[in-house]
Amino acid sequence: AQSVTQLGSHVSVSEGALVLLRCNYSSSVPPYLFWYVQYPNQGLQLLLKYTSAATLVKGINGFEAEFKKSETSFHLTKPSAHMSDAAEYFCAVSDNTGGFKTIFGAGTRLFVKA
Amino acid sequence: DAGVIQSPRHEVTEMGQEVTLRCKPISGHNSLFWYRQTMMRGLELLIYFNNNVPIDDSGMPEDRFSAKMPNASFSTLKIQPSEPRDSAVYFCASSTRQGSSYEQYFGPGTRLTVT
Repeated sequence: AQSVTQLGSHVSVSEGALVLLRCNYSSSVPPYLFWYVQYPNQGLQLLLKYTSAATLVKGINGFEAEFKKSETSFHLTKPSAHMSDAAEYFCAVSDNTGGFKTIFGAGTRLFVKA
Repeated sequence: DAGVIQSPRHEVTEMGQEVTLRCKPISGHNSLFWYRQTMMRGLELLIYFNNNVPIDDSGMPEDRFSAKMPNASFSTLKIQPSEPRDSAVYFCASSTRQGSSYEQYFGPGTRLTVT
């Protein structure tokens, strides 16, 4: 069965600093991987997804993530944090063995300090 | 193009009352999902439909919860009777088709408070 673990429920960075949000997955077959962002009082929206094409995936708002099979990781990065990046970020995994269900991680709340 | 529409946005009710949450998926999307989000349990999948047919309801907490999708443009999640522990934000999401590589589009959620 697939699963996803997000390391760190809270991450705090200064404005302009590197953002690194960690995600590790477990899947018995090649997975599809997603990062979603949730702003306060809103639903989740897709940042980026990996579907077995390029291992480095670029998303919206300057975010990108790299699929590393050997490490079973899909960490999310952004070179320079902006105040507007403050939100909760969810890593998610799905594969064809799970009945097409998507499993979401517990989420990481990103704080950006001025 | 309108996104996923949920109503009401906020619902406050007393324990024992029936609650009905509504969802209109994005036109043309064939899969619909209901989630519940709480601080303690995070985001939980309750049930999902493909082509209006319930595929997996293993996440529905108990018989007090029921969901229907009478047509491609409307779904309901009903709680009867409601209890304080049902207080949460309920999200509806839709996807273009059933498939692992397809992202989900979430509605703004319904914040339910049961007193």
